[in-house]
Amino acid sequence: AQTVTQSQPEMSVQEAETVTLSCTYDTSESDYYLFWYKQPPSRQMILVIRQEAYKQQNATENRFSVNFQKAAKSFSLKISDSQLGDAAMYFCAYRSGNTGNQFYFGTGTSLTVIP
Amino acid sequence: DTAVSQTPKYLVTQMGNDKSIKCEQNLGHDTMYWYKQDSKKFLKIMFSYNNKELIINETVPNRFSPKSPDKAHLNLHINSLELGDSAVYFCASSQGAGNSPLHFGNGTRLTVT
Repeated sequence: AQTVTQSQPEMSVQEAETVTLSCTYDTSESDYYLFWYKQPPSRQMILVIRQEAYKQQNATENRFSVNFQKAAKSFSLKISDSQLGDAAMYFCAYRSGNTGNQFYFGTGTSLTVIP
Repeated sequence: DTAVSQTPKYLVTQMGNDKSIKCEQNLGHDTMYWYKQDSKKFLKIMFSYNNKELIINETVPNRFSPKSPDKAHLNLHINSLELGDSAVYFCASSQGAGNSPLHFGNGTRLTVT
């Protein structure tokens, strides 16, 4: 099974600053998909951003962008102009392009935004 | 309008009881899942169904039994509840392949006393 590692259990950022959350994964596949999910205190799981492994261009969604390094098997999430509402748990997830029904999640990073 | 809805939102029950959590999705997805999130926030896959067929069955006590009457519904029945079953249970759905993400329900917080 693929493994997804989030090495930062907790991170903090000053409001309006930029923070980067790290995620690495282990796979022998060439075709796969990567996702970041946000889980605020309301416990709802919200899709933040997704990346196809075959795309070299890094995905961007408003203030959220990724740094996808396929060779290094790294998929970090950058949050720019951090807002109080960004405070949440963030989960990185991997989906195989071959046996695509299984999603593998990292252990999460708890992000605190300091006013 | 809710894409993935699960009920109840909260469930408090005593050890030894049997309970069910229901899940429905209106997204037309062919795959549905149950995840368990423990107190450390770890998300663990329990089961997955594709078009009513069980395709993922992780190491879960057989007190947990999923049932999928059709591809839009996936229910979870738990027999003889134990203290360690206390967690948040998420239902989710996805289209079968590709970059289709998981769409989660709002979770059911189960507390066993």
